Amino acid sequence: QKEVEQDPGPLSVPEGAIVSLNCTYSNSAFQYFMWYRQYSRKGPELLMYTYSSGNKEDGRFTAQVDKSSKYISLFIRDSQPSDSATYLCAVMDTGRRALTFGSGTRLQVQP
Amino acid sequence: GAGVSQSPSNKVTEKGKDVELRCDPISGHTALYWYRQSLGQGLEFLIYFQGNSAPDKSGLPSDRFSAERTGGSVSTLTIQRTQQEDSAVYLCASSPGSGDTQYFGPGTRLTVL
Repeated sequence: QKEVEQDPGPLSVPEGAIVSLNCTYSNSAFQYFMWYRQYSRKGPELLMYTYSSGNKEDGRFTAQVDKSSKYISLFIRDSQPSDSATYLCAVMDTGRRALTFGSGTRLQVQP
Repeated sequence: GAGVSQSPSNKVTEKGKDVELRCDPISGHTALYWYRQSLGQGLEFLIYFQGNSAPDKSGLPSDRFSAERTGGSVSTLTIQRTQQEDSAVYLCASSPGSGDTQYFGPGTRLTVL
């Protein structure tokens, strides 16, 4: 079993839709949670960084962490064609410092 | 300011040859990471440098892989006797310190024929 599980998609939605992306993780030692966006043939770009359980909002993006369920989510409101990319969840424990990534979900927002 | 840069952007090599991939981190960042991204395995950690400490090599897949970081700045990832399964995108990231946000470079796409 992988340490971080993520549905690979692809996920196709119409412009303006609310998008929900999810990951589960298995190790309770993970304390830091991130979402990265990766466009084709580019490096990952950090979208959200959270530490505690709860919600964190930044513009159209909301990250949600539920440590009791080991479940992390990213919501995108009013999705745009420019949001079409692969979204990677990542976790980190306090000891190791390297990131453990999910496999990525490919999102396509149709105009 | 300038982000993380990597060179070359693409590298095609023959099986059995050695390759060197270069990473220039963001100026002032003390932590530097190498990851590998391949279709079958996703994005995997390879090696981590923090300041003058011994690197964390726990992610290196075999002894054909090595990396060094000179002067606390530029890093080179070397793959000896390349194999076809080494074909992947090699990503470098840096962060201001250990545990901080990691900023990724554009990657080097390695193809081993």
